[in-house]
Amino acid sequence: LAKTTQPISMDSYEGQEVNITCSHNNIATNDYITWYQQFPSQGPRFIIQGYKTKVTNEVASLFIPADRKSSTLSLPRVSLSDTAVYYCLVPQAGTALIFGKGTTLSVSS
Amino acid sequence: DAGVTQSPTHLIKTRGQQVTLRCSPKSGHDTVSWYQQALGQGPQFIFQYYEEEERQRGNFPDRFSGHQFPNYSSELNVNALLLGDSALYLCASSLRLSGATEAFFGQGTRLTVV
Repeated sequence: LAKTTQPISMDSYEGQEVNITCSHNNIATNDYITWYQQFPSQGPRFIIQGYKTKVTNEVASLFIPADRKSSTLSLPRVSLSDTAVYYCLVPQAGTALIFGKGTTLSVSS
Repeated sequence: DAGVTQSPTHLIKTRGQQVTLRCSPKSGHDTVSWYQQALGQGPQFIFQYYEEEERQRGNFPDRFSGHQFPNYSSELNVNALLLGDSALYLCASSLRLSGATEAFFGQGTRLTVV
């Protein structure tokens, strides 16, 4: 199981782009990188998953370099409602998700 | 289509008591995982059920037990409650055979032990 490391916290202002980087040095060839978002007193919510290069959806973009030892979640033009904890995971099919402490993003006006 | 539903939403119990939490998975999902989340921490994996059997377990004592029913719903039982069991308990469902790793979480049950 690939261990992930990400910053404990980040601060931003509304309208800025936020980039959260996660390292996963021992990622296996078949592993995908997945990010979840969690608001207080709610369950985590899947936001994006990728294998290599770049993935974009309506919520975020995920950038993965060629060596795949790290990834960057990019949130464009954040708003106050993006204040949440963001978790980087490298899950394996058929096994449970294992969460770390995540990155607490605080967005101010 | 209902997502993952958990009941009850809040619960207060006394030390030493037993508690049962319930989870209905998202329609079409066959696997249920349970997590404990203390304040300020990430969700900690308790165990996972598939085909009515416990398939994977985290580092939790055997006071924590579970069950999965033929309709894929699941229960989490905690015996001899301790103050430290106070937490948000989350249920997640997924579809094992698809090979997908995406899981859907319920809103959780907030357990307070006094």
